[in-house]
Amino acid sequence: DQQVKQNSPSLSVQEGRISILNCDYTNSMFDYFLWYKKYPAEGPTFLISISSIKDKNEDGRFTVFLNKSAKHLSLHIVPSQPGDSAVYFCAASGGTSYGKLTFGQGTILTVHP
Amino acid sequence: EAGVTQFPSHSVIEKGQTVTLRCDPISGHDNLYWYRRVMGKEIKFLLHFVKESKQDESGMPNNRFLAERTGGTYSTLKVQPAELEDSGVYFCASSQDRGLSYNEQFFGPGTRLTVL
Repeated sequence: DQQVKQNSPSLSVQEGRISILNCDYTNSMFDYFLWYKKYPAEGPTFLISISSIKDKNEDGRFTVFLNKSAKHLSLHIVPSQPGDSAVYFCAASGGTSYGKLTFGQGTILTVHP
Repeated sequence: EAGVTQFPSHSVIEKGQTVTLRCDPISGHDNLYWYRRVMGKEIKFLLHFVKESKQDESGMPNNRFLAERTGGTYSTLKVQPAELEDSGVYFCASSQDRGLSYNEQFFGPGTRLTVL
C-alpha cells in the first residue's frame, strides 16, 4: 500500500512559468512533509518542508501548500528555470515511525528555455 | 564539511553472490538511514540506526539483508545471496539529532546495484 502518491510521472513547463507538482497521502499520522529534488547520478537533496500545523511555507521561488483535510500537498516553483529540471520527490514523516521518510514515486520536471 | 559518501558507486554481480555496500555519514550525525529505489519507483525505507543501535528495521525486505553500524560511525549493508529483484539504487542518509520532531536527512549519491 503506497501511503504517498505522486500521480503525475512527468511535467513539462516553459521557462518563466509556474510549475505545480502535486502529492497525495493516506496516513493521517504524518505530521511533517518534505520535497526533495534529485539530479541524475546524485542523491536527493532537501528542497523545502512544511509541518502539519501550517498550510503554507515559502522559500524564495519555492512554496509548499498543505491541505490536511484533503491529504494533499503541492509544490509551486515560480518562476521556473531550466536548472529546475530534475526529479522531485514528495516525502512524509510522522506517527510511530520516528525519522523514517515515506516517499512518493517522483515527478520528472522539465523546464524548457 | 564532507557530505554523505557511499561506496561503491556501482556494483554488478551475479545472482547468488554477496555484495557489501558502505556508507559514511556526515561526521557527528547519530542517525543513519538506508533506503532503496527499485526500477524508477518510489524511494523505500529500509532501516534506521541511532548510533550503533537499530531503531527501526521494518523496511528490510528479508533476512538476506544485513546492516551493521559498528562503533556508530560508518555502516555496511550486506546482501547475501543476491537475487535479481535486489537490483536498484541504494541510498544512505544521515541526520543530526537536534531534539526536533523531524531532523533533515542528507543523502549520499547512492550505490547502483545490478544483479544479473
